[in-house]
Amino acid sequence: KQEVTQIPAALSVPEGENLVLNCSFTDSAIYNLQWFRQDPGKGLTSLLLIQSSQREQTSGRLNASLDKSSGRSTLYIAASQPGDSATYLCAVRSQGGSEKLVFGKGTKLTVNP
Amino acid sequence: DGGITQSPKYLFRKEGQNVTLSCEQNLNHDAMYWYRQDPGQGLRLIYYSQIVNDFQKGDIAEGYSVSREKKESFPLTVTSAQKNPTAFYLCASSMEAGGRARYGYTFGSGTRLTVV
Repeated sequence: KQEVTQIPAALSVPEGENLVLNCSFTDSAIYNLQWFRQDPGKGLTSLLLIQSSQREQTSGRLNASLDKSSGRSTLYIAASQPGDSATYLCAVRSQGGSEKLVFGKGTKLTVNP
Repeated sequence: DGGITQSPKYLFRKEGQNVTLSCEQNLNHDAMYWYRQDPGQGLRLIYYSQIVNDFQKGDIAEGYSVSREKKESFPLTVTSAQKNPTAFYLCASSMEAGGRARYGYTFGSGTRLTVV
């Protein structure tokens, strides 16, 4: 059974700092990995989608990497801003079975002005 | 603009009452999903549907029911059998029902259900 772990559970940084969020998964047989952002009381907004054949994806100040063989992904946020404060969720879509998305519990990020 | 619409945003349920949460998408996606989110537990899959008139139980289906009569719609009913229904409910969809599953998920804005 696929399990997804995100470390740390919470992170507080000063504005302008570069930061890395970590995600690990137990079964490397995946189709893709998706990073989401969730603001309090809101739905999930997709940030980046990495296919299993890819090593990284970039969007603006965000860069996500994938090392499928070791079961790890990182989300790099450059020059953090207070508006980046949110919970970041990592999810993997496993091969076989229902091919459903399995989520980590998230990292709650606070960027202080 | 294409997207997923969940309604209502807030819902209150009395003890012993069934309530239905609406989820509509205009993305022409094949698959639709319902997740439940509780503090500290992450998202858990309730039901999913890969094609019209077909659906499967997820990890926590007990006390819930769904239907998929149209491609665009996947309503979730929270029955009186669900003993602890207070949670945030999220609906999602994806373009591919299976195969190589290359596409990501799109989520709605959620419905917060509270038992009163």
